[in-house]
Amino acid sequence: AQSVAQPEDQVNVAEGNPLTVKCTYSVSGNPYLFWYVQYPNRGLQFLLKYITGDNLVKGSYGFEAEFNKSQTSFHLKKPSALVSDSALYFCAVRDIKRNRGSTLGRLYFGRGTQLTVWP
Amino acid sequence: EPEVTQTPSHQVTQMGQEVILRCVPISNHLYFYWYRQILGQKVEFLVSFYNNEISEKSEIFDDQFSVERPDGSNFTLKIRSTKLEDSAMYFCASRPNLRETQYFGPGTRLLVL
Repeated sequence: AQSVAQPEDQVNVAEGNPLTVKCTYSVSGNPYLFWYVQYPNRGLQFLLKYITGDNLVKGSYGFEAEFNKSQTSFHLKKPSALVSDSALYFCAVRDIKRNRGSTLGRLYFGRGTQLTVWP
Repeated sequence: EPEVTQTPSHQVTQMGQEVILRCVPISNHLYFYWYRQILGQKVEFLVSFYNNEISEKSEIFDDQFSVERPDGSNFTLKIRSTKLEDSAMYFCASRPNLRETQYFGPGTRLLVL
């Protein structure tokens, strides 16, 4: 079965410093990996995804993530954090199980990591 | 930019009551999903819906739950007889096709007393 783990409930960084939010995954087959962000009173917003190709994926708001197959990780990174990056970040893996000839595409989420960037 | 919307944003109900959570997916999207997040826990998949029928449901989605797309724009989740453990944030999502990312609504926070 597919699953993801986010080992840190909270990450705190100073503005201007690099940030990393960790995610490890367990899948059968090739992983389809995603990062979503949730700001207060807002829905889950898509940040970036890895399907295939380059291991370094660039996404919205200056975020990027590195796919590491040997370590089964997909850590989210940003070179210089902003206070406005403070939010809840979710890593997810997509189900690639086939049913009646179609992939179903359900997502398996981690528990989320609360990122706080202080001025 | 089009968005998935959900109503209400918050709902408080008594145990045993029926609730209907409403979602308006992005128009021209064909695949619809409900997820929920109990406070402090993972976001969990409930059900996926395509072509006016359920494609897949999780073990959480028992006979107390149902989904409907009554009018071509709304996508509803009904909980027939709520339990305390149904208290959670419920997210609706949609996508235009299986190659695209899922777009999520802001969620409905349900509290069952």
